[in-house]
Amino acid sequence: EPEVTQTPSHQVTQMGQEVILRCVPISNHLYFYWYRQILGQKVEFLVSFYNNEISEKSEIFDDQFSVERPDGSNFTLKIRSTKLEDSAMYFCASMDYPNEQFFGPGTRLTVL
Amino acid sequence: KNEVEQSPQNLTAQEGEFITINCSYSVGISALHWLQQHPGGGIVSLFMLSSGKKKHGRLIATINIQEKHSSLHITASHPRDSAVYICAAQFYSGGGADGLTFGKGTHLIIQP
Repeated sequence: EPEVTQTPSHQVTQMGQEVILRCVPISNHLYFYWYRQILGQKVEFLVSFYNNEISEKSEIFDDQFSVERPDGSNFTLKIRSTKLEDSAMYFCASMDYPNEQFFGPGTRLTVL
Repeated sequence: KNEVEQSPQNLTAQEGEFITINCSYSVGISALHWLQQHPGGGIVSLFMLSSGKKKHGRLIATINIQEKHSSLHITASHPRDSAVYICAAQFYSGGGADGLTFGKGTHLIIQP
């Protein structure tokens, strides 16, 4: 069964460093999403991506964040200068519209 | 403001009991999702619905568009059903790639 994959599973970084989180969506899906979940809190929407551009973004997704689909398979989330409060689980999801979203296993980001 | 409210936040029941988790949302939606999150953090989509009722095994999801309310039912509950159940709404934003707005989740424990 096709699945969304994410790498790495856990990323530890120093405050101020850049990180890139990687996702491989399901191959025939055209809609892609990033969500985050701070420990003990609810999941929050960051950004959606369709047709090689951002479709929608939340207030959380400020200038420190960017997304890219560098090739036909990968979908990346970059945080330019990490802050302590960026520590969270980051989930990638993909969708074959108008069906359900499929979530990856998540990347746990720890900012020290 | 787009909001999703779930109740109860925590639910402990005995094996075999009928479980109901409720979800309400603030404004019109394009779809309502029920998701399951296990202790390891992974998120699995259970249902996506925009009207009526869906059933999968022992799980049933219903939605009342007029009342802006959805319920998730588990029949003949089993300890393996123990997880966090999350309601998430896709609010209309004019595009197809609407991100999900999540509820805080219901932490369900089924005791043998």
